[in-house]
Amino acid sequence: QITLKESGPTLVKPTQTLTLTCTFSGFSLSTSGVGVGWIRQPPGKALEWLALIYWNDDKRYSPSLKSRLTITKDTSKNQVVLTMTNMDPVDTATYYCAHRVTIFGVGRFDPWGQGTLVTVSS
Amino acid sequence: AIQMTQSPSSLSASVGDRVTITCRASQGIRNDLGWYQQKPGKAPKLLIYAASSLQSGVPSRFSGSGSGTDFTLTISSLQPEDFATYYCLQDYNYPPWTFGQGTKVEIK
Repeated sequence: QITLKESGPTLVKPTQTLTLTCTFSGFSLSTSGVGVGWIRQPPGKALEWLALIYWNDDKRYSPSLKSRLTITKDTSKNQVVLTMTNMDPVDTATYYCAHRVTIFGVGRFDPWGQGTLVTVSS
Repeated sequence: AIQMTQSPSSLSASVGDRVTITCRASQGIRNDLGWYQQKPGKAPKLLIYAASSLQSGVPSRFSGSGSGTDFTLTISSLQPEDFATYYCLQDYNYPPWTFGQGTKVEIK
């Protein structure tokens, strides 16, 4: 059974850097075709994909946020870390991590973690 | 980036109704589309991948169709537990992966 869980601060101040950790079990991030992605959702709004890291350390970022995001993995700890710099109140959202798998060229994000709400406020 | 447009943004339906949600891509995406269900306060759950493949464990009343730019999620007989918000996600040209704006299915 694959599970993921996000952890990190619930409140950050404007201009600070946010660091979120996704701790997972039930799969290995050294297996070909596997990745972990981050998606966020502002309160009452739609989902927005942020970043993804693959088993081979290939990294993909949202073009609109690329300058602020860094994604890394620690395979031995079964963790993926997302950092977002220069936080602003508009970055207030629930942040999810999700397991990514590609099989025979077909990809999907499944399952997702429970999400963690991050509020940006002074 | 590929834009995904869902319609309607919300709908009201009764238990037992047949419900159809549409997603349109700004350019052709073959069949590289997924559908997700999200209940209040919960994480999204994958229902359909590759436009029409039912994810394991998802009830057969859910089905997906379409290819190219136009896609449909159908719930054949709406159940009480199906009241939720549904999102499509294009999985063709990335980054970025892009979601539709969501369709909220409410009780009539």
